[in-house]
Order: sequence, then structure tokens, then C-alpha cells
Amino acid sequence: EAQVTQNPRYLITVTGKKLTVTCSQNMNHEYMSWYRQDPGLGLRQIYYSMNVEVTDKGDVPEGYKVSRKEKRNFPLILESPSPNQTSLYFCASSWQENYGYTFGSGTRLTVV
Amino acid sequence: TQLLEQSPQFLSIQEGENLTVYCNSSSVFSSLQWYRQEPGEGPVLLVTVVTGGEVKKLKRLTFQFGDARKDSSLHITAAQPGDTGLYLCAGAGSYQLTFGKGTKLSVIP
Repeated sequence: EAQVTQNPRYLITVTGKKLTVTCSQNMNHEYMSWYRQDPGLGLRQIYYSMNVEVTDKGDVPEGYKVSRKEKRNFPLILESPSPNQTSLYFCASSWQENYGYTFGSGTRLTVV
Repeated sequence: TQLLEQSPQFLSIQEGENLTVYCNSSSVFSSLQWYRQEPGEGPVLLVTVVTGGEVKKLKRLTFQFGDARKDSSLHITAAQPGDTGLYLCAGAGSYQLTFGKGTKLSVIP
């Protein structure tokens, strides 16, 4: 089944403790992105990648890092999480941006 | 940052009624995409429109892309309770996807 897999689905952590949210796609897609979704603010792009080793900032990149060492994986790294990063996170992939994206099921992160 | 204004924000209608959701921007996009999202799940792609003036139909859903590729609409005919959900428009360009804030639709049986 073609899909984007995110892990974990739920995560509660403490301020300052480094964490990684993994994202993997099995569709050989070139493009991958990370979004956060907050009430009243909608979905906002954090980082995106056009291909292996090519990444760029989206609208809200502060406090996040990404890497794209392999085509299928695009992890999101929070080096020192803070409470304002509590949110619902989505990873998405596409083989061409005009053909629409496939989204993962989301990671609900709470930072206390 | 490109902005997409989506309206209405909330819509509650009776089963069988028709409705239209609008998505407007001052920016030109290479494509306009519509997604539907259930609570706690990721958005699911409904359609992508690429050409100005393009109209696509998906059963009872009709999607239109404006001639200038700055706006789009989603029309649902004879809404059913199964249409209930959050509808999102998103504009694509320069490897980025800009989302509207969504229209929360409730269809009452």
C-alpha cells in the first residue's frame, strides 16, 4: 500500500529534551515536506525537500531541523523542544508538486 | 508569504442542500489542490487543478480554477452526512504548499 508513515503517533516530552519524529514514504517521491497544524492558524510548512540532500525552509522553520540522506526518509528534529512547539505535525510527499501530496497520519506532540 | 483566504470558515447545512466553498488569493499558483481532513488524521487529496479556467468533477463535487490561477471554488451538490469534514484548499508553487485555514462542513441528516 502506498503510504507515508510517521512515528510516533503521540509523544509527550519535557522542555529541552531532543527528539526526532520519523517520516518514511514508499512511493519513490521526490518531494517531501513537514507541516504543523494549530487551531486558528491552519497548516503551516516547516521545511521541505526537493530531493536527496536538498532541503529548504518553509514558513515556520525556527526550532526545527531536517535531513534528507535517503529518498524515502525525511526526519524532523527538535534539538531543544519548547512548549510553543506543542502541535499536530504532518509529513507529506509528492512526486511532482502539481500532482498533490500524500500525507501521513500525524504526530501529536506535547511539550511540557 | 503567499496567503489563501478560504470562506466560509464554518458551514452547517441540511442533507440534500447545495453549497460552495471559496478559496481566494492575490498570488498566482502553479496549481490549486483541495483536501479533506477528518479529525486527528492527515489531509487526503481530492483533486488538483492546474490550468486556468479548469473544471473537474468528482461525483457530486465540482472544482473550478479561476482564469488567472489565483482562486478556486468547490461546489457540492445534494450534500450528504458523509460529506461532513474539514475542507482545505492549498496553492502550490516554488516547491511550497500554502494552505487556507479550512472550511468545517457539517451536513445534518
